Amino acid sequence: AQSVTQLDSQVPVFEEAPVELRCNYSSSVSVYLFWYVQYPNQGLQLLLKYLSGSTLVKGINGFEAEFNKSQTSFHLRKPSVHISDTAEYFCAVSLYSSASKIIFGSGTRLSIRP
Amino acid sequence: AAGVIQSPRHLIKEKRETATLKCYPIPRHDTVYWYQQGPGQDPQFLISFYEKMQSDKGSIPDRFSAQQFSDYHSELNMSSLELGDSALYFCASSLLLTTSGPNNEQFFGPGTRLTVL
Repeated sequence: AQSVTQLDSQVPVFEEAPVELRCNYSSSVSVYLFWYVQYPNQGLQLLLKYLSGSTLVKGINGFEAEFNKSQTSFHLRKPSVHISDTAEYFCAVSLYSSASKIIFGSGTRLSIRP
Repeated sequence: AAGVIQSPRHLIKEKRETATLKCYPIPRHDTVYWYQQGPGQDPQFLISFYEKMQSDKGSIPDRFSAQQFSDYHSELNMSSLELGDSALYFCASSLLLTTSGPNNEQFFGPGTRLTVL
């Protein structure tokens, strides 16, 4: 079975500071990895995904994530955050096959302080 | 670009009533997934369909049923509603196979917020 652990339920950061949201996963087979963002009272938007290839993945809104197979991690980073980045961020995995359900982590609430 | 459409966006029901949520996938997508997100929770997988056949089942209560129709839209039917069913219900769609091989990028709709009173 697959699982996702987001160690930080909340991360407060000052505006223009860098941020890292941590994600670790567990799986005995290959998986796809995703980061989704959910703004208040809105749906889920895909930030970035790792399917294969380069371990550094760049996404929308200046976010990037690095896949580390040995540490089974997929941490999300942004060098300088803005007030508009305030949202809930979900790390997720799915099996390396088609039509596989997505398993989400518990989410990290990113709050940006001016 | 066309996105996943869900209707209604908001729904208020009384306990023990029934509700039907609809999902219209992105054109040409053949797979539909349903997820439930309770207040302050992460989304949980309920059920999925590929080519009108159920492909996977998660933590979906027996009071719920779903199907995918010939035009690939899907409906989630919920009966004997309970207070705990209040949640945001997401539908996602994907294209099972692409020219580059198996694919599992799911595109999420805006969700239907169900409130049970």
